[in-house]
Amino acid sequence: QKEVEQNSGPLSVPEGAIASLNCTYSDRGSQSFFWYRQYSGKSPELIMSIYSNGDKEDGRFTAQLNKASQYVSLLIRDSQPSDSATYLCAVNRPGGYNKLIFGAGTRLAVHP
Amino acid sequence: EPEVTQTPSHQVTQMGQEVILRCVPISNHLYFYWYRQILGQKVEFLVSFYNNEISEKSEIFDDQFSVERPDGSNFTLKIRSTKLEDSAMYFCASSKDREEGYTFGSGTRLTVV
Repeated sequence: QKEVEQNSGPLSVPEGAIASLNCTYSDRGSQSFFWYRQYSGKSPELIMSIYSNGDKEDGRFTAQLNKASQYVSLLIRDSQPSDSATYLCAVNRPGGYNKLIFGAGTRLAVHP
Repeated sequence: EPEVTQTPSHQVTQMGQEVILRCVPISNHLYFYWYRQILGQKVEFLVSFYNNEISEKSEIFDDQFSVERPDGSNFTLKIRSTKLEDSAMYFCASSKDREEGYTFGSGTRLTVV
């Protein structure tokens, strides 16, 4: 079982729609969860962090965490073509020095 | 906004040569990391560094790899004898504490020929 799993996509949504990105993780002891955005050929950029069960909103982004189901999601409201990128879910490895394990990413394509 | 700086942005080297990738983490950060991403693949952990020593390393980080923080600001990754399969994008990252997300540098694209 992969430590962090994401659907590779592409997830195609029309401009203005809600994009929903999902991630599952295997280590129940994980405490910190992150979403990064990566444009082609660029480095990952942190967009959201979440540590507690429930929802966390930041502008057009909402992260959702369900530790019982080992599930993290990211919702992007009012999707824009500039949101087209690969979204990486990252989960910390408990007990260490904040080692993050990354999923392979979901490619999002927002079409006008 | 503070940023992690990496140099060079692109390095081409011959197989068997040594390369040093350089990074300047954010100044008040305490935890430092190197990751790599082979083209089309996921971001993979190489090594973490805290309090002037390696705190954790992956199976990829074998004897050919080493890290140093020689002067309190720079953080380097050395590959002693490069192989073709070392060709990848190498990212340096740093974080202020053990719970927060990393800030990544812009990366060094290493091409081994």
